Amino acid sequence: GEDVEQSLFLSVREGDSSVINCTYTDSSSTYLYWYKQEPGAGLQLLTYIFSNMDMKQDQRLTVLLNKKDKHLSLRIADTQTGDSAIYFCAERKDSNYQLIWGAGTKLIIKP
Amino acid sequence: EAGVTQFPSHSVIEKGQTVTLRCDPISGHDNLYWYRRVMGKEIKFLLHFVKESKQDESGMPNNRFLAERTGGTYSTLKVQPAELEDSGVYFCASSQDWGATGANVLTFGAGSRLTVL
Repeated sequence: GEDVEQSLFLSVREGDSSVINCTYTDSSSTYLYWYKQEPGAGLQLLTYIFSNMDMKQDQRLTVLLNKKDKHLSLRIADTQTGDSAIYFCAERKDSNYQLIWGAGTKLIIKP
Repeated sequence: EAGVTQFPSHSVIEKGQTVTLRCDPISGHDNLYWYRRVMGKEIKFLLHFVKESKQDESGMPNNRFLAERTGGTYSTLKVQPAELEDSGVYFCASSQDWGATGANVLTFGAGSRLTVL
């Protein structure tokens, strides 16, 4: 099928690391994305990774890609209250370049 | 630079009525997309314009949905007549590039929440 799978919720303590996981469907997808949606706002691109990479780091964010298992993860170091949001994983289909999305993971920060 | 603007932010209508959603993309972005997220589920692709032409409308659920982009600037998405299952958040996005080269980063609007009673 075309399902990109994510857990619906993740709860972490402030200051801890958050790891949001995603499994995608198409091993030929060349780009994979993480978008963030804060309450009342649109989706904002956080980062993306090209399929020939297995890791990408950008400040507090680390993306890991396991192509063999079609598994993508987003690690947020030193999670802050401002990181509270819904995080969406998406893959780009190479057949028509459109994005296939997961249902989003709501990140809840505990004080 | 102004972002992607959507209007209205929230619309509540009764089953059988008509609603028109509007999207103003980033100026100069030829590519405009409509997506929909139904309550807590995944975001689903509806269609993609390149300028005023429909590049891909494979995600449009049925003929009650009509999208237009006359002149290749703003776009409207009309639902007529609306059904209960049309409730959800309709997102519009735009991009400068599309296709095989590059990451084709989309810039999203804040969404239009549609509630059909």
